[in-house]
Amino acid sequence: NAGVTQTPKFRILKIGQSMTLQCTQDMNHNYMYWYRQDPGMGLKLIYYSVGAGITDKGEVPNGYNVSRSTTEDFPLRLELAAPSQTSVYFCASTGGSPLHFGNGTRLTVT
Amino acid sequence: QKEVEQDPGPLSVPEGAIVSLNCTYSNSAFQYFMWYRQYSRKGPELLMYTYSSGNKEDGRFTAQVDKSSKYISLFIRDSQPSDSATYLCAMRELYNNNDMRFGAGTRLTVKP
Repeated sequence: NAGVTQTPKFRILKIGQSMTLQCTQDMNHNYMYWYRQDPGMGLKLIYYSVGAGITDKGEVPNGYNVSRSTTEDFPLRLELAAPSQTSVYFCASTGGSPLHFGNGTRLTVT
Repeated sequence: QKEVEQDPGPLSVPEGAIVSLNCTYSNSAFQYFMWYRQYSRKGPELLMYTYSSGNKEDGRFTAQVDKSSKYISLFIRDSQPSDSATYLCAMRELYNNNDMRFGAGTRLTVKP
């Protein structure tokens, strides 16, 4: 049972480039989330989904997009990367009780 | 003022010490309180959760919630080097799964 899997683990982007952070879970959870974690700031919610085909904005959605075509997958798209998007990104899922997190993607935008 | 404030640490203690980790919050609607442990280069993992004021014990860990003071604590007894990690408090309103608020985390080192 893999839980929540995120790829890639690390990535360096140049300003203005785009990329997709992948997240997949094998627990059949309906709820999935994307957070970013910055030093001294705690985890901030970017986007979430309550089921396939349904997504909504979190606290810090600007510069990001998501889609949820299946229960298992919840990719996060960065368009026109900016230095402010340098962060560690965590995907999480839940079936209604506490969150299960992946091990994160470390993204640097230079 | 941040909605959830957490002692930043870092905190360094000798093996066997009792550790106290703390958070305060401003939103009186928060009803569901959690502590997560995060090892370096890993995602957070749930340690404990509670709905109510008072204490909840699980092995060497005790979670304490004081809703009247808007203050929560995590106590670790007989701390071990394997407890070295960052500890995050988290909380949300009872029926709102989608708006979890996290503290910034306290980095703990337990020295052998």
